[in-house]
Amino acid sequence: GAVVSQHPSRVICKSGTSVKIECRSLDFQATTMFWYRQFPKQSLMLMATSNEGSKATYEQGVEKDKFLINHASLTLSTLTVTSAHPEDSSFYICSARDTKGGGNSPLHFGNGTRLTVT
Amino acid sequence: GENVEQHPSTLSVQEGDSAVIKCTYSDSASNYFPWYKQELGKRPQLIIDIRSNVGEKKDQRIAVTLNKTAKHFSLHITETQPEDSAVYFCAAMVSGNTPLVFGKGTRLSVIA
Repeated sequence: GAVVSQHPSRVICKSGTSVKIECRSLDFQATTMFWYRQFPKQSLMLMATSNEGSKATYEQGVEKDKFLINHASLTLSTLTVTSAHPEDSSFYICSARDTKGGGNSPLHFGNGTRLTVT
Repeated sequence: GENVEQHPSTLSVQEGDSAVIKCTYSDSASNYFPWYKQELGKRPQLIIDIRSNVGEKKDQRIAVTLNKTAKHFSLHITETQPEDSAVYFCAAMVSGNTPLVFGKGTRLSVIA
């Protein structure tokens, strides 16, 4: 079945540094990928929609200059948390849908990245 | 945009009993309604989904019902087992390249 690979699964970084998270669709192409953030005991909140070859669309309240998204190919989207602060510590998870399947394709999730900023 | 409300936030049931989780949505254009099960520290796992052209769908002990007129859908788990204990999320989406909008989740505890 369709697989979305997300790396790293865990990362601990110091405050002020940047962290890059990769999301790959392994056996399908995805023109659109979605990045979610989940704080402890809370729901998944959409951060941004990543569009291959164009700028990402950010949800209200999400700083585009802080959370840089690059979707350079049909199988890879990256999220870079710049100048990370402790309040950025969270579970980040990407998702993607097979472009060929159209709107009826299920959404596949990566395994998530637990970011801890010290 | 779409807004999804989910109730209850926590639910405890005795093993063998049924559990029901309810969600409402706001965007009448939404036509895809999946349910996810999330265990601690792991990604959400799709357990069942339903599309707007169907009123009910069942998969073994799990069933989902959809009322498009009232804009609500429900998850039913029968003969609950301790391994059903997890956080369950409902979601709604308009088909195409639109994102899923999630409810706030229900923490289900099945007591042996």
